Amino acid sequence: AQSVTQPDIHITVSEGASLELRCNYSYGATPYLFWYVQSPGQGLQLLLKYFSGDTLVQGIKGFEAEFKRSQSSFNLRKPSVHWSDAAEYFCAASAGGNEKLTFGTGTRLTIIP
Amino acid sequence: GAVVSQHPSWVICKSGTSVKIECRSLDFQATTMFWYRQFPKQSLMLMATSNEGSKATYEQGVEKDKFLINHASLTLSTLTVTSAHPEDSSFYICSATGQDPYGYTFGSGTRLTVV
Repeated sequence: AQSVTQPDIHITVSEGASLELRCNYSYGATPYLFWYVQSPGQGLQLLLKYFSGDTLVQGIKGFEAEFKRSQSSFNLRKPSVHWSDAAEYFCAASAGGNEKLTFGTGTRLTIIP
Repeated sequence: GAVVSQHPSWVICKSGTSVKIECRSLDFQATTMFWYRQFPKQSLMLMATSNEGSKATYEQGVEKDKFLINHASLTLSTLTVTSAHPEDSSFYICSATGQDPYGYTFGSGTRLTVV
């Protein structure tokens, strides 16, 4: 069965520190991969996506993600977090365009001063 | 960029009544719409997928007679929660594809509270 796993339920990081959020997927073939961010009571905002090509993907707000086929991973990184980055982060995957998205369970990011 | 307008953003209704939630793609034609449900501090669970002019495809365990989905045009999809009960209280989010073959645009969500 297709699945997306985010091992970390909650991560706390100091402002200015680096961040890495983990995501692993289980699909028959390499899926399309996405990272979304959600603030409380809000919809989802796309941070970045990967379909093919360069395995290091740049997104908005200074985020990047690296696709590693050998590890079935698509981890999200940011070199220096800001207090405004505190939110819920979801990794998601689909089998192709217009196919349904499968979401991970999410990682809640807390930023401490 | 692609925008999906979802409303209402929040609604309170009495148990036994029906509630309609609308999602409109403002600047593109949404060939496929997805409806999700999200419980507090949990992930998004897909309820159904709808293509314009076709019947929606519901995920296993989702009551199609309770959650009516209509996708009558390329810019509008609606979710109607019929005979709502307190356990239907949740955050409902729509998503649309069509603008970008590899993209999904999300609405801002609807907080439904059934009292």
